[in-house]
Amino acid sequence: NAGVTQTPKFQVLKTGQSMTLQCAQDMNHEYMSWYRQDPGMGLRLIHYSVGAGITDQGEVPNGYNVSRSTTEDFPLRLLSAAPSQTSVYFCASSYLGASGYYNEQFFGPGTRLTVL
Amino acid sequence: AQKVTQAQTEISVVEKEDVTLDCVYETRDTTYYLFWYKQPPSGELVFLIRRNSFDEQNEISGRYSWNFQKSTSSFNFTITASQVVDSAVYFCALSEAGEGPNAGGTSYGKLTFGQGTILTVHP
Repeated sequence: NAGVTQTPKFQVLKTGQSMTLQCAQDMNHEYMSWYRQDPGMGLRLIHYSVGAGITDQGEVPNGYNVSRSTTEDFPLRLLSAAPSQTSVYFCASSYLGASGYYNEQFFGPGTRLTVL
Repeated sequence: AQKVTQAQTEISVVEKEDVTLDCVYETRDTTYYLFWYKQPPSGELVFLIRRNSFDEQNEISGRYSWNFQKSTSSFNFTITASQVVDSAVYFCALSEAGEGPNAGGTSYGKLTFGQGTILTVHP
């Protein structure tokens, strides 16, 4: 298994540009999520999905859109990039255990985004 | 609202020293999970441990050990005989019970992270 993959690894955008960060997992996990990591703030949840066609907002959703058309893919869209979105973005996936609760999340390698 | 506090921003030790990373959490849930993740200089996030709120047994895995105390809402992480390869940022995280949609859950296991502790182990 490749696990959770993210592309690109690095990206530089100009203010106002749009782009999509790709995330894919091959573990058939129901749950996928996006976090951003900023210095001194840990990771904060942007959006998450519990299955194809189901998404919801996390702690810091403004400026980002998501969709989940397949179990495998969970892209994150920046509609109009702003310098405040300069960050490292992590995608994660998880699965329901036998107990009926979600297990630990598996993280992708991250995308480092700079918005000028 | 959930909150995780890692009061130690940076810790510096010399190889072979023991080091404890503190984690204090807040939640109103009675069922929750606590995690530790390691982020080495390469940047990926590596899962270390998950602990259920109803299991207060301490756990040891090689040089790593975890002390979970519900009474003080703490989940501390100790590295014994530290090594240079332990140098990393360590994150403590809290998750609500995260029941799946078929069970009617709404929290879906969302993680709340602490700010992270930068551990530097010098040779």
